[in-house]
Amino acid sequence: AQSVTQLGSHVSVSEGALVLLRCNYSSSVPPYLFWYVQYPNQGLQLLLKYTSAATLVKGINGFEAEFKKSETSFHLTKPSAHMSDAAEYFCAVSDLTGTASKLTFGTGTRLQVTL
Amino acid sequence: EPEVTQTPSHQVTQMGQEVILRCVPISNHLYFYWYRQILGQKVEFLVSFYNNEISEKSEIFDDQFSVERPDGSNFTLKIRSTKLEDSAMYFCASQGLGGETQYFGPGTRLLVL
Repeated sequence: AQSVTQLGSHVSVSEGALVLLRCNYSSSVPPYLFWYVQYPNQGLQLLLKYTSAATLVKGINGFEAEFKKSETSFHLTKPSAHMSDAAEYFCAVSDLTGTASKLTFGTGTRLQVTL
Repeated sequence: EPEVTQTPSHQVTQMGQEVILRCVPISNHLYFYWYRQILGQKVEFLVSFYNNEISEKSEIFDDQFSVERPDGSNFTLKIRSTKLEDSAMYFCASQGLGGETQYFGPGTRLLVL
C-alpha cells in the first residue's frame, strides 16, 4: 500500500521568504509523485510531477521539487513566496502510468504568506 | 485549454434522498475517477473507471454508490440514499491514455441535512 506524509499542516512564511513544504512517501514500487494546489473554494490544480525522469522537477508559479529516493522524499520549494501562493498544497503518490491508477493524497499543508 | 467540468457546484439534499453528481471529463481521456474531501480532511479516492467498468474502488465506495458513463461524454456518481456523513466536496478527475496526470474538476459541494 502507498502512503504520503506531509509534515506540518500549517506553514507561515513572510513574502519573499523561502517556501519549503515537506512530503515523504511510502511505496513498494517506483512511485509517481505529484504536488497539487487548492485555492480557496476551487479544485485541485497540478503544480508539478515526478515520473522517473529528472529528479529535480520544475512546475508552475516558480515551484520546484526534488525526488530523493534515499530519503523517500519529494519536498516542494519556492525561493521567494508571493502573497498569491497562499493556498493548500497536497502531495500525492501513484504507482502506475497509462492505467487507471488512484492517487493517494497526504493530509495537505496550508501555506500562509504574510507581509 | 480543455478542462474537466462538474455540475452542480453545490447541492443540498435531505438524508435518504438520491443524488447524482455529474462530470464532463476532458474529451479524449479514457480514465475517470471520483474523489471526495470531507471538510478539513484529505482528498480520498472513491473509484476509478475505464472501458465502461470500474477498475478499482475504495472501502468508502459501498453499495450506496454507483458510477456510469451514460452517453460517452458525461461521467456520473450516484449516491442512492444519502447519509449525513456523505457531506463532502466531490471531485471528478480524468486522465489520458499513456498519461500520468489526473486533471481535476472544480468539485461539487454536497451537504446532506
